[in-house]
Amino acid sequence: EAQVTQNPRYLITVTGKKLTVTCSQNMNHEYMSWYRQDPGLGLRQIYYSMNVEVTDKGDVPEGYKVSRKEKRNFPLILESPSPNQTSLYFCASRVTLDSNQPQHFGDGTRLSIL
Amino acid sequence: QKEVEQNSGPLSVPEGAIASLNCTYSDRGSQSFFWYRQYSGKSPELIMSIYSNGDKEDGRFTAQLNKASQYVSLLIRDSQPSDSATYLCAVKVWDAGGTSYGKLTFGQGTILTVHP
Repeated sequence: EAQVTQNPRYLITVTGKKLTVTCSQNMNHEYMSWYRQDPGLGLRQIYYSMNVEVTDKGDVPEGYKVSRKEKRNFPLILESPSPNQTSLYFCASRVTLDSNQPQHFGDGTRLSIL
Repeated sequence: QKEVEQNSGPLSVPEGAIASLNCTYSDRGSQSFFWYRQYSGKSPELIMSIYSNGDKEDGRFTAQLNKASQYVSLLIRDSQPSDSATYLCAVKVWDAGGTSYGKLTFGQGTILTVHP
């Protein structure tokens, strides 16, 4: 089954404690992306990756890091989480950026930073 | 001004009616437009994409694009209670050379409620 898998689904942690949210896709997609969703603000893109070793900032990259060492994985790293990063996070993938095929989303990760 | 704007609603329509959802965008370089549906607690799912001016129909859904007015809409005919969800408009920007910047910008979403 084609899917995008995020882990963990839920996490409550404290300010300053480094955390990583993993994202893996099994569709051999080149394009992957991270979004955060906050009430009233919709989905905002954090980082995206056109392919292995190619990443770029989205609209709200501050406080986040990503890496793309393998095509299937695109982890999101919060080196020193702060309460304003409490949000619902989605990972997504697409065949290529320019493909007319739909973007597949993971089920989401709800992060609470205390 | 936000890059992609939607009326946050909520929009309430009776079952069987036509629901009309609207989206405006600010970047004239925008070339690709998408409508996603998101049920509460779930991830977004693509329901329509449109790339050229005019109407595009898929079942009960019709997307309408007017690039001159920088406006894209989604019509849902014969609305059903199962259509109750948040609808997200998304826009992809291309530069003059035809290369996408890689960013997909979403509006804040419109909450639709279809009541029996």
